[in-house]
Amino acid sequence: DTAVSQTPKYLVTQMGNDKSIKCEQNLGHDTMYWYKQDSKKFLKIMFSYNNKELIINETVPNRFSPKSPDKAHLNLHINSLELGDSAVYFCASSQFWASGGAMTDTQYFGPGTRLTVL
Amino acid sequence: GENVEQHPSTLSVQEGDSAVIKCTYSDSASNYFPWYKQELGKRPQLIIDIRSNVGEKKDQRIAVTLNKTAKHFSLHITETQPEDSAVYFCAAREGGADGLTFGKGTHLIIQP
Repeated sequence: DTAVSQTPKYLVTQMGNDKSIKCEQNLGHDTMYWYKQDSKKFLKIMFSYNNKELIINETVPNRFSPKSPDKAHLNLHINSLELGDSAVYFCASSQFWASGGAMTDTQYFGPGTRLTVL
Repeated sequence: GENVEQHPSTLSVQEGDSAVIKCTYSDSASNYFPWYKQELGKRPQLIIDIRSNVGEKKDQRIAVTLNKTAKHFSLHITETQPEDSAVYFCAAREGGADGLTFGKGTHLIIQP
């Protein structure tokens, strides 16, 4: 019954390779995200995506590209990996709703993928 | 874009005492301010959040206050327990499908 899942959990690869990380959510959410957490634990948004709009953080190199085959999946493709890409990558999802004066759009995070580039 | 500053970077308190973590944000259009707790090797998990139309919110031992004029929000944890030890992140977001802009985190250490 995992809400947001990612594969693989660990990824070790050589510089210059191309790799993908998969993310799936079974919450029925309409928006998904990718975050990067570096070695100093700083969390930074890379992309946010719903079925109509992709918002890209301008600091993200174009070697990174999100691909969404359907509403429940947002995969992250990385080309020509560099040493500085080593980090933990978190996928997240959210759904905005409002009812009776209350509203929520909590972002739920996946377990993370630790990428190590050698 | 939004910039979130968080202080302190490390906070050590005695078990049973209170802990306060403070954040400031730069974008007056931001209207959603969540706090996440991250234990070592785990995912960030939401512990409490507040919207810009509310000044304070409380959930048992945890409370968050927001001062929109000063662009400042704080997390208060009372009666701290060993399981409160973790890294806490504040964040801000303007709305819609925007991602969260996080502070740099506070490592909270509860001394027995």
